[in-house]
Amino acid sequence: GDSVTQMEGPVTLSEEAFLTINCTYTATGYPSLFWYVQYPGEGLQLLLKATKADDKGSNKGFEATYRKETTSFHLEKGSVQVSDSAVYFCALQDPDKLIFGTGTRLQVFP
Amino acid sequence: DAGVIQSPRHEVTEMGQEVTLRCKPISGHNSLFWYRQTMMRGLELLIYFNNNVPIDDSGMPEDRFSAKMPNASFSTLKIQPSEPRDSAVYFCASSLVERGGNEQFFGPGTRLTVL
Repeated sequence: GDSVTQMEGPVTLSEEAFLTINCTYTATGYPSLFWYVQYPGEGLQLLLKATKADDKGSNKGFEATYRKETTSFHLEKGSVQVSDSAVYFCALQDPDKLIFGTGTRLQVFP
Repeated sequence: DAGVIQSPRHEVTEMGQEVTLRCKPISGHNSLFWYRQTMMRGLELLIYFNNNVPIDDSGMPEDRFSAKMPNASFSTLKIQPSEPRDSAVYFCASSLVERGGNEQFFGPGTRLTVL
């Protein structure tokens, strides 16, 4: 069945560092892909999405490109802030529910 | 829009008691999802409904768990009897299922503690 694999966390960075969180998927066809973020004590909220190959989703300085050749959807940000500390979930659509990865905790220190 | 509303936000109960969690989805959404989140198992999909009909309940851990959606604006997740291993944060999410990327909107969650 379809699945999502994320890099293990936690990812620990200093403020203004470059961020990459890896996400790869296994799916039949070309599902829509998502990144969700969960701040402490809150529910998940959509960060960005891409609906077809080569699409780039972006929001709040975060970006991810749908790469069908490598079945990947890596999350990147050029300069992280302390306020970006959260858990990040990669997900794919299958077809009317979402399959989530295990989440990657990001900790940003000043 | 108020977003997805869940109640209660926190519930502390004793083993063996019945627990009912409630969810009001976003108006106009046609799908509703119940998730459970724990440190050990991460985020698990328990059940989801489309147009008030349960579509997939394969994630429901056992018969002690049941979920209903009597109408488009309300759903419940019931645990009877509750056990300490049910302690977790339970999230409800809703979406408007259509072709293309279907964003799910999550509620704030109910933190359940079973003593």
